[in-house]
Amino acid sequence: QVQLQESGPGLVKPSETLSLTCSVSVDSISRISYFWGWIRQPPGKGLEWIGSIFYSGSTYYSASLKSRVTISVDTSKNQISLRLSSVTAADTAVYYCARHEGVSSDSSFDLWGRGTLVTVSS
Amino acid sequence: SYELTQPPSVSVSPGQTASITCSGDKLGDKYACWYQQKPGQSPVLVIYEDSKRPSGIPERFSGSNSGNTAALTISGTQAMDEAEYYCQAWDTSTPVFGGGTKLTVL
Repeated sequence: QVQLQESGPGLVKPSETLSLTCSVSVDSISRISYFWGWIRQPPGKGLEWIGSIFYSGSTYYSASLKSRVTISVDTSKNQISLRLSSVTAADTAVYYCARHEGVSSDSSFDLWGRGTLVTVSS
Repeated sequence: SYELTQPPSVSVSPGQTASITCSGDKLGDKYACWYQQKPGQSPVLVIYEDSKRPSGIPERFSGSNSGNTAALTISGTQAMDEAEYYCQAWDTSTPVFGGGTKLTVL
């Protein structure tokens, strides 16, 4: 059964770059045609999509975060990475990685990681 | 940008039917899906493509979508269904989430 596991620092200083990794428990990401997305949830608030990547490297980003976000994939390690630059307290959230089949209307996030809390504070 | 609107809270008595709505411009022209999130847990997909249930989701969960409104219906609501529910749809290549509805079973 495929599992997703987020990892990374739980505390990031303001103005620095948040870096997280999502490890996918499959033999090879490149053999399955899925997108891998990052979604965040500030404490007590709703879900916000950050961006997604296909195993080939094609990326889609939220318009509101695009200038600060980079998502990449390492198929040799079955890992997806998220980098969010110039963070502020507003970026404090639980960060989830999740799987979806496409970027069209009939796609949904059918598998989620457990999430990792990132706090932005000095 | 596209927006999905959900009521902040819905209450239901055990055994009764709960209905949670999600409104968006011409939402019926898109597919809607629904996620259940219990405190401290990750979201779980409970309805996709308007009305389909993933494997393992009880039959009491159903969905519909027409016009500007999608709805999640829980028949014979149980205490274990108390959770936050989020709708989601796509606007071109961007997934959009509703603000969430807290379902209270009392």
